[in-house]
Amino acid sequence: NAGVTQTPKFQVLKTGQSMTLQCAQDMNHNSMYWYRQDPGMGLRLIYYSASEGTTDKGEVPNGYNVSRLNKREFSLRLESAAPSQTSVYFCASSELVLGADTQYFGPGTRLTVL
Amino acid sequence: TQLLEQSPQFLSIQEGENLTVYCNSSSVFSSLQWYRQEPGEGPVLLVTVVTGGEVKKLKRLTFQFGDARKDSSLHITAAQPGDTGLYLCAGVNWGKFQFGAGTQVVVTP
Repeated sequence: NAGVTQTPKFQVLKTGQSMTLQCAQDMNHNSMYWYRQDPGMGLRLIYYSASEGTTDKGEVPNGYNVSRLNKREFSLRLESAAPSQTSVYFCASSELVLGADTQYFGPGTRLTVL
Repeated sequence: TQLLEQSPQFLSIQEGENLTVYCNSSSVFSSLQWYRQEPGEGPVLLVTVVTGGEVKKLKRLTFQFGDARKDSSLHITAAQPGDTGLYLCAGVNWGKFQFGAGTQVVVTP
């Protein structure tokens, strides 16, 4: 049981380049999330998907797009990377348990944009 | 703007001491969660509190949810080096999570 997996683990991009961060979960969860984590800012929600086929913007969606490919996979795309997007990106999935969602995180992708 | 304020931002203590971390908000949450994150890894859920005034204990960790469901505290008794990490609180409403900035705890032997 792998839980939530993310690829790649590390990435360096030049300004203007594009890339896709991949995320997959094997827990049959309906909801999936993309966060970014910056020093002193905590985790900020970029996009989330409450179920297969639906996506919604979070707190900081500008410069990103997402695709919920199927129930297992949720990808995050940077079309034209900017230095401000240097961050650690976490994917998470959740299930509703007795009225309180339980969220599981992947190991993160460390992205540097030069 | 952080809707959830955590304090202190950083805490360094000796092994065996006690510590308390606070999480405060002006918003009401249906539940509140505490996570611990170690370097190079994603956050891991420690506990979920749901009822106002609820107290949960996890070995040497005690979690309390405020009566009005707007704030929470985490108390660690007799801290050990293995307790070192970034402690994050998250308020939950309708399947959406709002995280605080975290408290970095360092426990030295």
